[in-house]
Amino acid sequence: AQSVTQPDIHITVSEGASLELRCNYSYGATPYLFWYVQSPGQGLQLLLKYFSGDTLVQGIKGFEAEFKRSQSSFNLRKPSVHWSDAAEYFCAVGAWGNQFYFGTGTSLTVIP
Amino acid sequence: DADVTQTPRNRITKTGKRIMLECSQTKGHDRMYWYRQDPGLGLRLIYYSFDVKDINKGEISDGYSVSRQAQAKFSLSLESAIPNQTALYFCATSISGSYTGELFFGEGSRLTVL
Repeated sequence: AQSVTQPDIHITVSEGASLELRCNYSYGATPYLFWYVQSPGQGLQLLLKYFSGDTLVQGIKGFEAEFKRSQSSFNLRKPSVHWSDAAEYFCAVGAWGNQFYFGTGTSLTVIP
Repeated sequence: DADVTQTPRNRITKTGKRIMLECSQTKGHDRMYWYRQDPGLGLRLIYYSFDVKDINKGEISDGYSVSRQAQAKFSLSLESAIPNQTALYFCATSISGSYTGELFFGEGSRLTVL
């Protein structure tokens, strides 16, 4: 069965520090992988997606993610976090036929 | 204006009441979804529709029903609301086709059932 695990419920980082949010997936075929961000009071916005090809994908707001098939992971990274990055982040896997499975989310706090 | 609009944005109701959450989109997408978000549980799929005549249950459809009135409109109903249906509800759309594209979300409807 398809599933997505985000092992970190909450992460706190200092502004300017680097960030890595973890995501592991379970899916029987080649996955379509997504990271979404949810700012307070807002809907979810797509940060980046992986369909195929280069395993390092670039997204908006300076985020990137790396697909590692051997580890079933799709971790999100940012070299220098800004206060405006404080939000909740969701990893998702897309199955054939537009079914989507979401992780439970990681809440990011940025301290000055 | 938002591409995916949800109404109401906030609603407080009492146990046993009927509630309808509405979603309309201007993206021209065929596929529409209703998700529920609870703290610590992420987003869970309630119902989805790939076109006006196609309605499918998601993982947590019990206690909910939907109506796809037009390509652009997809409503979620709680026939008799109960407190554990208190949650943040999201409507989303995606482009049709065999590949899996991204979801486009509304801003959410916060429902409180007392």
